[in-house]
Amino acid sequence: GESVGLHLPTLSVQEGDNSIINCAYSNSASDYFIWYKQESGKGPQFIIDIRSNMDKRQGQRVTVLLNKTVKHLSLQIAATQPGDSAVYFCAENSNSGYALNFGKGTSLLVTP
Amino acid sequence: KAGVTQTPRYLIKTRGQQVTLSCSPISGHRSVSWYQQTPGQGLQFLFEYFSETQRNKGNFPGRFSGRQFSNSRSEMNVSTLELGDSALYLCASSLEADNTEAFFGQGTRLTVV
Repeated sequence: GESVGLHLPTLSVQEGDNSIINCAYSNSASDYFIWYKQESGKGPQFIIDIRSNMDKRQGQRVTVLLNKTVKHLSLQIAATQPGDSAVYFCAENSNSGYALNFGKGTSLLVTP
Repeated sequence: KAGVTQTPRYLIKTRGQQVTLSCSPISGHRSVSWYQQTPGQGLQFLFEYFSETQRNKGNFPGRFSGRQFSNSRSEMNVSTLELGDSALYLCASSLEADNTEAFFGQGTRLTVV
């Protein structure tokens, strides 16, 4: 069936470096995407979203890129900090099911 | 503005019992969704409500049910609990009817023994 998946289950980066977390999706009808950050013991925290009519969106230290041609989504975190260590999920919503379809998550570890 | 509030935060139940979890959405949000999170299956959609109507239900057995009240607060119920129901149950609310910008609560950690 249609699914959303993450390429890398774990990512280790040094403090100050930029991080890139990737996500592939297979539902061509997906028109809305969200990135969430989840720290241990907490619920997912909204980071940034993007609609399918855009290919890039920037927030504070974060950028989401969407490539609809290859059905690929990425989250770029600039100047990664120890507080960025968490599991990151991409999710997609085709808007017809009123449900978010989540990927498995990527664990980001920031080392000093 | 207060975030999404879920109660209780932790719950331990015995197999065969039933449980009710509560979710208070962000003020003004009318859409509430529920998700189950387990290490093996990740985040899986349970159901979604908008203005007291269930618009979608995930692939879960009928033991899982929910409802939404006129003040947008929502409850989910699991009957005849099984060990496999042990999970983090997350609630998300959204201002928009299309469920964009969904914000999550801290979740309820349910342990079935």
